[in-house]
Amino acid sequence: DADVTQTPRNRITKTGKRIMLECSQTKGHDRMYWYRQDPGLGLRLIYYSFDVKDINKGEISDGYSVSRQAQAKFSLSLESAIPNQTALYFCATSDSPPADTQYFGPGTRLTVL
Amino acid sequence: GQNIDQPTEMTATEGAIVQINCTYQTSGFNGLFWYQQHAGEAPTFLSYNVLDGLEEKGRFSSFLSRSKGYSYLLLKELQMKDSASYLCAVDPDKLIFGTGTRLQVFP
Repeated sequence: DADVTQTPRNRITKTGKRIMLECSQTKGHDRMYWYRQDPGLGLRLIYYSFDVKDINKGEISDGYSVSRQAQAKFSLSLESAIPNQTALYFCATSDSPPADTQYFGPGTRLTVL
Repeated sequence: GQNIDQPTEMTATEGAIVQINCTYQTSGFNGLFWYQQHAGEAPTFLSYNVLDGLEEKGRFSSFLSRSKGYSYLLLKELQMKDSASYLCAVDPDKLIFGTGTRLQVFP
């Protein structure tokens, strides 16, 4: 079984809808991250959490919110989806420093019409 | 500001050697990572450098010079399956990714 899983893998929705993307991990890592990837822009950090009670904004948090329900679960919500949120979304986990190697889930391809 | 630069695209021939460069300017440094990403798939970890010098791992090697803000990923004995994007990422306090270098390997 995969160490980092994301659901759904693909989602098509309409402008204004609320969407939740879920991430679960069995690696036992404290740190979890949400990224979006757009062609030519690379991976950009949306939110990150270093433990269950810790939530931090990343580079592009506007229009998104997150919930860290447990060490193993980190959800990303789009409260009112808009077309420019169409992207590939990745969840990642990492163990504590110094080698903060991140392990990625398979990704969720989100299309907002 | 924080900036990571790497070439957008490179091409090479099967069996050859290719070097992908990465330069960075960040406000801190806790290490530099290289990831491989096949189209439509998740990035996977390739290498980590925190000290100057060369780290070798099979066909892949990664070099770091902290004083120059420079790293390269060296791929030897290229195979068709090495066609992918290669992402350079620097950790000042959390990872910042470059936009990636798309490598195409031709027969």
